[in-house]
Amino acid sequence: EIVLTQSPGTLSLSPGERATLSCRASQIIGTNFLAWYQHRIGQAPRLLIYAASTRAPGIPGRFSGSGSGTDFTLTITRLEPEDFAVYYCQQYESPALTFGQGTKVEVK
Amino acid sequence: QITLKESGPTLVKPTQTLTLTCSFSGLSLDNNGEGVGWIRQPPGRPLEWLALVYWDDDTRYNPSLRGRLTITKDTSRNQVVLTMTNMDPVDTGTYYCANRRLGYNIFDYWGQGTLVTVSS
Repeated sequence: EIVLTQSPGTLSLSPGERATLSCRASQIIGTNFLAWYQHRIGQAPRLLIYAASTRAPGIPGRFSGSGSGTDFTLTITRLEPEDFAVYYCQQYESPALTFGQGTKVEVK
Repeated sequence: QITLKESGPTLVKPTQTLTLTCSFSGLSLDNNGEGVGWIRQPPGRPLEWLALVYWDDDTRYNPSLRGRLTITKDTSRNQVVLTMTNMDPVDTGTYYCANRRLGYNIFDYWGQGTLVTVSS
């Protein structure tokens, strides 16, 4: 099983600031099969990024993904009020799909 | 437009079997590449993938829960059913079904989720 470790656990920022979230895999994800989701309270998760850096349809340009191997990053360039949520990474290189434990982006 | 909706009991007793149904529209599990999966979230815990069924009847399960899970599809009814045996209070949580993005084991359309509580 590929274990994904996200950091930090909580990120306290103000609207307009930049958010940088990390996802580290326990083994190399050679295919870059790494996705990011946003999960707002009371809503279904929303796919943001797949293949490490490809934005899903309809996702604003302020969301970007990068990284390769074992280290991946989700960046939100300027936080909007609706961006305060929990973010999960998910690997799909292994048939046993796994999620990270999440990073909560909260209002400072 | 793809929509999915989960249905099933909100309360089950320990040791019972849970049966959840995902009813969907806007996609067909007859089509090459399609798939529907189940993901859950216990209270205060992260998302956990459970199972996935593909258009060709292939199935995948979370190894940590294998043996307890069965996922099936009914293309004529546009439904996917998940059964989980020997339910325990730690299985309490919100259960989501979601559509697999074509070609990738990621999920781009989700249902709103259904909360299942396991308690005697």
